[in-house]
Amino acid sequence: NAGVTQTPKFRVLKTGQSMTLLCAQDMNHEYMYWYRQDPGMGLRLIHYSVGEGTTAKGEVPDGYNVSRLKKQNFLLGLESAAPSQTSVYFCASSSSGRAYEQYFGPGTRLTVT
Amino acid sequence: AQKVTQAQTEISVVEKEDVTLDCVYETRDTTYYLFWYKQPPSGELVFLIRRNSFDEQNEISGRYSWNFQKSTSSFNFTITASQVVDSAVYFCAFHSGTASKLTFGTGTRLQVTL
Repeated sequence: NAGVTQTPKFRVLKTGQSMTLLCAQDMNHEYMYWYRQDPGMGLRLIHYSVGEGTTAKGEVPDGYNVSRLKKQNFLLGLESAAPSQTSVYFCASSSSGRAYEQYFGPGTRLTVT
Repeated sequence: AQKVTQAQTEISVVEKEDVTLDCVYETRDTTYYLFWYKQPPSGELVFLIRRNSFDEQNEISGRYSWNFQKSTSSFNFTITASQVVDSAVYFCAFHSGTASKLTFGTGTRLQVTL
């Protein structure tokens, strides 16, 4: 049972480049989340989804887009990367009945130069 | 809005010392959940414990214990007889039960040395 997986694990981008982070879960969870972790800031919610085809903004959504075309996948896109988006990105998922019980992926370390 | 405060940024202890990590939260909700996560140097988030707002009973798991006090809005974490393997960043987090996100504190970096 893989749980929550994230692809890639590491990535270096130049300013202005675009990329997509992929999150996949095999627990049939309805809810999925993207967080970013910056030094001294804890984790902050970027976007989340409560079901296939639906997404919503979190605390820090600017500069990111997301899509949930399949229940098991949640994509995070950066259209024009900026150095301020250098961070560690965590994906999480939970069932709708126990939204507080979030399962986290291993994280993606992104550096924008 | 909910808020989680971990006032201790970094703590250094010598192995076998006891150490307490503080967590204070703010909320107007009556139903909520509190969590502690460990983030070792490898970077993953390791779930340690979840408590709901209706259960103030303290919990002990091996060398770890948690003290939940609604009167002071605190959920403190104590490691007894610390070990080098306990070195990590520890996060306290809050979920209101109705919101769709976890609110994290800024974390406490624990360094345990020989």
